[in-house]
Amino acid sequence: QKEVEQNSGPLSVPEGAIASLNCTYSDRGSQSFFWYRQYSGKSPELIMFIYSNGDKEDGRFTAQLNKASQYVSLLIRDSQPSDSATYLCALYSSASKIIFGSGTRLSIRP
Amino acid sequence: DARVTQTPRHKVTEMGQEVTMRCQPILGHNTVFWYRQTMMQGLELLAYFRNRAPLDDSGMPKDRFSAEMPDATLATLKIQPSEPRDSAVYFCASGLVTGFGYGYTFGSGTRLTVV
Repeated sequence: QKEVEQNSGPLSVPEGAIASLNCTYSDRGSQSFFWYRQYSGKSPELIMFIYSNGDKEDGRFTAQLNKASQYVSLLIRDSQPSDSATYLCALYSSASKIIFGSGTRLSIRP
Repeated sequence: DARVTQTPRHKVTEMGQEVTMRCQPILGHNTVFWYRQTMMQGLELLAYFRNRAPLDDSGMPKDRFSAEMPDATLATLKIQPSEPRDSAVYFCASGLVTGFGYGYTFGSGTRLTVV
């Protein structure tokens, strides 16, 4: 079992709709969770981090964490074509490492 | 904006040659990671340092890879000898860790092609 699992996609969402990206993890000792966005040919860019159960909102982005279910999600409201990218879920593990999932490719169609 | 600087941006080399990649972390960051990214494997953690001390290099093939941090402004990743399967984008990331893991800033990466 991979430490961080994501659906590779592609996930296709119409412009203006809500994009929902999901991630599960295996290490119950993981302390904090991150969402990175990576455009093709570019480096990953941190867009959200969350430590506590519940929701955390920042602009059009909402991160959701459920430690009991070992589940993290990212919602993107009012999706724009510029949101088309690969979204990487990552966690800070009990071994003090940042571990990444393989990413979900998101495509926003006009 | 503070940024992580990686050099070179691109490197093409012949199999068997030594490759050295360099990373200048953001001033004040105490943790540096090296990752390798390929289409097949995604982002793989190779090694990381905290306060310049190597904490974990279990992701690295030890027979050919080595990572060092000779001072707080420089981290290096060496491959000797290089092989075609080492072709990938190598990212360095730095961050400030004080208990919880905070988000890390990535450099632009070194795209390595071994022919």
